Amino acid sequence: EAQVTQNPRYLITVTGKKLTVTCSQNMNHEYMSWYRQDPGLGLRQIYYSMNVEVTDKGDVPEGYKVSRKEKRNFPLILESPSPNQTSLYFCASSSHPFSNEQFFGPGTRLTVL
Amino acid sequence: QKEVEQNSGPLSVPEGAIASLNCTYSDRGSQSFFWYRQYSGKSPELIMFIYSNGDKEDGRFTAQLNKASQYVSLLIRDSQPSDSATYLCAVNRDNAGKSTFGDGTTLTVKP
Repeated sequence: EAQVTQNPRYLITVTGKKLTVTCSQNMNHEYMSWYRQDPGLGLRQIYYSMNVEVTDKGDVPEGYKVSRKEKRNFPLILESPSPNQTSLYFCASSSHPFSNEQFFGPGTRLTVL
Repeated sequence: QKEVEQNSGPLSVPEGAIASLNCTYSDRGSQSFFWYRQYSGKSPELIMFIYSNGDKEDGRFTAQLNKASQYVSLLIRDSQPSDSATYLCAVNRDNAGKSTFGDGTTLTVKP
């Protein structure tokens, strides 16, 4: 089954404690992207990756890091989380940015105390 | 001015009516435009993608793009209660992977 998986699905943590949210896809997609969604707002792109070792900033990259060492995985790293990073995070993948087939992960709800 | 703006909702239409959702964007160089549907508590799903001026139809959905006026719209014909969701417009601004979303419009279709 074609899918994008994210782990963990829910996380409560404290300010400053480094964390990683994993994203994995099984469709051999080249394009992957991370978004955050806050109440009443649409998605805001954090980082995206066009292929292995190719990443670039979206609209809200501050406080986040990513890596793309292999095609299937695109982890989101919060080196020193702060309460303003409390949000719902989605990972997505597609064969390329203009594909009419995009797959989203189930979301990760992060709370930073 | 926001880079991508959608009509403020919520929008309510009766079952069987046409729902019209609008989106304007500020970057004239934007190339590709997307409409997503998001049910409450669920992940977004892509429903339409358009990059050429004019209309693109897929079943009950029609996306309309007018680059000169910098707007893209989504029409849902014969609206059904199952269409009740938040609809997100997104614009690809750099002809690569960077996308900007509007805040979404919540649609309710009443039986």
